[in-house]
Amino acid sequence: NAGVTQTPKFQVLKTGQSMTLQCAQDMNHEYMSWYRQDPGMGLRLIHYSVGAGITDQGEVPNGYNVSRSTTEDFPLRLLSAAPSQTSVYFCASSSDYYNEQFFGPGTRLTVL
Amino acid sequence: KNEVEQSPQNLTAQEGEFITINCSYSVGISALHWLQQHPGGGIVSLFMLSSGKKKHGRLIATINIQEKHSSLHITASHPRDSAVYICAVRSNTGNQFYFGTGTSLTVIP
Repeated sequence: NAGVTQTPKFQVLKTGQSMTLQCAQDMNHEYMSWYRQDPGMGLRLIHYSVGAGITDQGEVPNGYNVSRSTTEDFPLRLLSAAPSQTSVYFCASSSDYYNEQFFGPGTRLTVL
Repeated sequence: KNEVEQSPQNLTAQEGEFITINCSYSVGISALHWLQQHPGGGIVSLFMLSSGKKKHGRLIATINIQEKHSSLHITASHPRDSAVYICAVRSNTGNQFYFGTGTSLTVIP
């Protein structure tokens, strides 16, 4: 099993550009989530999904969209990148909300 | 507002020392997680607990639900234990996780 995979590992964007961060898991997990990690702050939840077709907002959802068309994939879309979205993004999955989370390797995003 | 507070923020220890990292939280929880983040950035789950104590090798995690406090202990610390240790709590209302800012541990040979 590959576990949780994320692409790309690094990305540089200009302000106003859009892009999609990819996340996939091969563990048949229902619960998937996106976090951002900024210096001096804990991980913060952006969006999460409790199953295919179901998504909801976390603590910091503004500027991001998600969709969950399959159990395996949970892409995160930046609609119009801003410098404040410079961060490291982690995707995580678990069999359900109540179980251990498995994290992807992260995507380091810089918005100029 | 910080729902999860960790102490200390930074910790340097000599190899072999006993280490304690503390976590306090202010929300009602259904579980508490301890995570390890290595310098390369990857995050690994160490423990998930909702009561009492758990032990994996040299790592021990305890939780006191009444006091809203958890501790992570490392016995006979080793340089490979050098990492950031993160406490996270799963809220018992809604699908929300709250994370501490982490404790950066350096173990010197």
